[in-house]
Amino acid sequence: DTAVSQTPKYLVTQMGNDKSIKCEQNLGHDTMYWYKQDSKKFLKIMFSYNNKELIINETVPNRFSPKSPDKAHLNLHINSLELGDSAVYFCASSQVGVTEAFFGQGTRLTVV
Amino acid sequence: AQTVTQSQPEMSVQEAETVTLSCTYDTSESDYYLFWYKQPPSRQMILVIRQEAYKQQNATENRFSVNFQKAAKSFSLKISDSQLGDAAMYFCAYYTGANSKLTFGKGITLSVRP
Repeated sequence: DTAVSQTPKYLVTQMGNDKSIKCEQNLGHDTMYWYKQDSKKFLKIMFSYNNKELIINETVPNRFSPKSPDKAHLNLHINSLELGDSAVYFCASSQVGVTEAFFGQGTRLTVV
Repeated sequence: AQTVTQSQPEMSVQEAETVTLSCTYDTSESDYYLFWYKQPPSRQMILVIRQEAYKQQNATENRFSVNFQKAAKSFSLKISDSQLGDAAMYFCAYYTGANSKLTFGKGITLSVRP
């Protein structure tokens, strides 16, 4: 069983479109994250949710909106996609008090 | 703000030899955690090793060990008996409960020569 799974693995779309990336974890963790890895491989946190509540919202354009329907799911919706949004997006989860994060396999988003 | 610095962008090691990857960090917190993650070409992020700041003993996981120098804010990873499968990007990361997020360094690309 995959611990943290993201769909899709690859996403190619045109500028201006709206797209979503889904994430699910079956580890029973209470905290979930979205990270962005840019073309230089730099990893930066975007959002963090704890028990469905937003606790971290880094400086991210408001075209990006996370949604957590329950503590096992954290989806990322992106409106009006731009070329600069092309990156790998990672979902991760952790348990408070345990600290290490477990990552999904990443979604490579390419905006053309 | 916490920062994590990996100043070497690339390193190379001969198979079966030992290599050390460097990492420094800056923080005013006393309670925190440090990690090394491995990212192979498959792009999956894999936890290699973890160190709690309150523990003086350096963490070890099989061929992987760390040299944690809290006063110097240094956290290096030593890979012994390097194998071809160790070739990957390695990221140093810092976590504190104060802001509940992992802060990553820029990563280092490790290549292993057969």
